[in-house]
This record gives sequence, C-alpha cells and structure tokens, in this order.
Amino acid sequence: AQTVTQSQPEMSVQEAETVTLSCTYDTSESDYYLFWYKQPPSRQMILVIRQEAYKQQNATENRFSVNFQKAAKSFSLKISDSQLGDAAMYFCAYRGINTGTASKLTFGTGTRLQVTL
Amino acid sequence: KAGVTQTPRYLIKTRGQQVTLSCSPISGHRSVSWYQQTPGQGLQFLFEYFSETQRNKGNFPGRFSGRQFSNSRSEMNVSTLELGDSALYLCASSLAITGVNTGELFFGEGSRLTVL
Repeated sequence: AQTVTQSQPEMSVQEAETVTLSCTYDTSESDYYLFWYKQPPSRQMILVIRQEAYKQQNATENRFSVNFQKAAKSFSLKISDSQLGDAAMYFCAYRGINTGTASKLTFGTGTRLQVTL
Repeated sequence: KAGVTQTPRYLIKTRGQQVTLSCSPISGHRSVSWYQQTPGQGLQFLFEYFSETQRNKGNFPGRFSGRQFSNSRSEMNVSTLELGDSALYLCASSLAITGVNTGELFFGEGSRLTVL
C-alpha cells in the first residue's frame, strides 16, 4: 500500500524568507502523481503544485517549487519569499495510475506553516 | 466556471440518526470522490464514483454509502451515526480517473458534521 509521510507537524518562517516542507512516500508503482495541497483556515483544499513521476524536471509555480527525488522517494516543497497568506496546513499527496490507486489521493498528515512578521 | 459545491456546510446530528451530504462537481467532471478529515485520522479516502459507478472504496464500515447521479452530482449517506463520525467531509471532482487528465482533484469547502 502507498504511504505518505510528513515528518514536520509544524513549521515557522518569517515573511519574505524561504521555507522547505518535507515529504517522503512509499510505493511500488513506477508512474504516479505527487501533489502539494494547501488548506487555509477557510478549509478549502487548494492545489499548490503537481509533479508527474515520469518527468525529471522539478515543477515550479511562481514562488513554489519542488525537489523531486524519485529514487529516494522524496518530494519536498520550497516556498520562496513567504507571505502572510501562505499560512496554512500543507498536505503532500500521492495518486497512482493503476486500478485501485488512481481513483484516490493518499495524504500525509500535514504540516502547519506559520508565517511571522 | 463554478467550483465544487457541497451542501450543507454545517450540520449537527445526534447518535443513531442518519445524514445525507451532497456534492455538485465542476461542470464536465465525471469523477467524484469523498474524503473524511478528522484531527486524529487525518484525511481518509471514503469512495470514488465515475459515471454513476462506485470504482473504489476506502476502509469504512457499511454505514457509509454513496451514489452518483447521471448529472455527476453525488451524495453520501451515513446511517446510525456515531460520535466518531464527527468530521469534515470533503468532496472532490476530477475530469477522469486516469490517463489524459493531470490527476488533479478539485475540492469543495466541505460539510462539517457534528454528532452529539
């Protein structure tokens, strides 16, 4: 079974600084998707960034980028120039492409990010 | 384009009652999945529907059920409510299960169920 591990329950970063959130996963599949979702206090889960496992290039979305290490099964999220609006719970998630894994996301336990002035 | 809409947003029930939650996916999305979010267990997959058929089910008791209609709207039902069913229930939609899409799920704001 696929598992996703986020070892940092809470992180704190000063405004304008850079922070990295860690995520590791375990799977026997060779192709899959990885995601970082953000859940602010308003509750709605919002996609931050997406990575296809077959792509070696790390995904980037404005201030958000990932460090995808397929062999190490590691998928960390880097937030540059942190803003107050980045404060939220961040979830790492896995989605496979095979029957049984393609129709669901497996989430990590989340990392609560605080942004301070 | 309207997002995923869930109703009701909040509801309070007592033990033993049943509840039905509704989810309207993004227009054109045929896959709808449900997740339960609790502080203790985190986000857990309940089930996924595609073209009115349940394609996958998580590890939940039979008290949890769902269905999908021809317009892709989905409902989930929980019967004989227990205190432990108190949670945020999230619905998500996507274009398809596999293949041509990006794999992304689009989430609604959730239905907060409190069981007393």
